[in-house]
Amino acid sequence: QQQVKQSPQSLIVQKGGISIINCAYENTAFDYFPWYQQFPGKGPALLIAIRPDVSEKKEGRFTISFNKSAKQFSLHIMDSQPGDSATYFCAANDGNQFYFGTGTSLTVIP
Amino acid sequence: NAGVMQNPRHLVRRRGQEARLRCSPMKGHSHVYWYRQLPEEGLKFMVYLQKENIIDESGMPKERFSAEFPKEGPSILRIQQVVRGDSAAYFCASSPQQGMGNQPQHFGDGTRLSIL
Repeated sequence: QQQVKQSPQSLIVQKGGISIINCAYENTAFDYFPWYQQFPGKGPALLIAIRPDVSEKKEGRFTISFNKSAKQFSLHIMDSQPGDSATYFCAANDGNQFYFGTGTSLTVIP
Repeated sequence: NAGVMQNPRHLVRRRGQEARLRCSPMKGHSHVYWYRQLPEEGLKFMVYLQKENIIDESGMPKERFSAEFPKEGPSILRIQQVVRGDSAAYFCASSPQQGMGNQPQHFGDGTRLSIL
C-alpha cells in the first residue's frame, strides 16, 4: 500500500512557467514532509521540507504548500528552468521511517 | 567529498552469486538507511541501522538479504543467491540521529545492481 500518493507521474513545463507537483497521505502520524530532487545516475538530494504546523514554506524559487485538513502538500517551482529537469519525490516521516512517493519526472522545455 | 559514499557504483552478478554493497555514511553520522529503487518507482525502505545494531528491518526480505553496520568500517548490504528480480538501484542514506523531525537523510549516489 502506497503511504504517500504523488501526481502527476510526468510533467512538461515551458521555461519560465510554474511546475506543480502534488502529494497526498492518510497517516496523521506523519510530522515531517521533505521533497527530494534526483538527477539521472545520482542519489536524491533534499530540496525543501515542511512540518505540519506551517501552511507554506518558501526557499528561492521553491515553495511547499501544506493543507493539513486535506492531508495534501505540493511543491511549486516558480520560473522553471531547464536545469530543474529532474525527478522529484515527496516523502513523509512518522518519527521512524520515511515513506516516499513514486516520483514525478519534470521536463522544462527551453 | 564528505558526503555519503557508496561502492561499487555498478555491480553485475550472475544468478546464484552473492552481491555486497557498501556504504560509508557522512562524517559524524551514526545512522544508516538502505533503500531500493526500481525504474518508475519511488524509494522503498529496506533497513535502518545504527552502529552494531539493526533498528528496523521491516522492509527487508527475510531470506537472502542481510545488513550490518560494524563498529569500524562501512555498512554492508548483502544479497545471497541473487535472482533477476534483485536488479535495482540500491541507495544508502545517513543521518546524525534517527531520521525524524528536522533530521533529513543524506543520500549516496547508489549502487546499480544488474543480475544476468
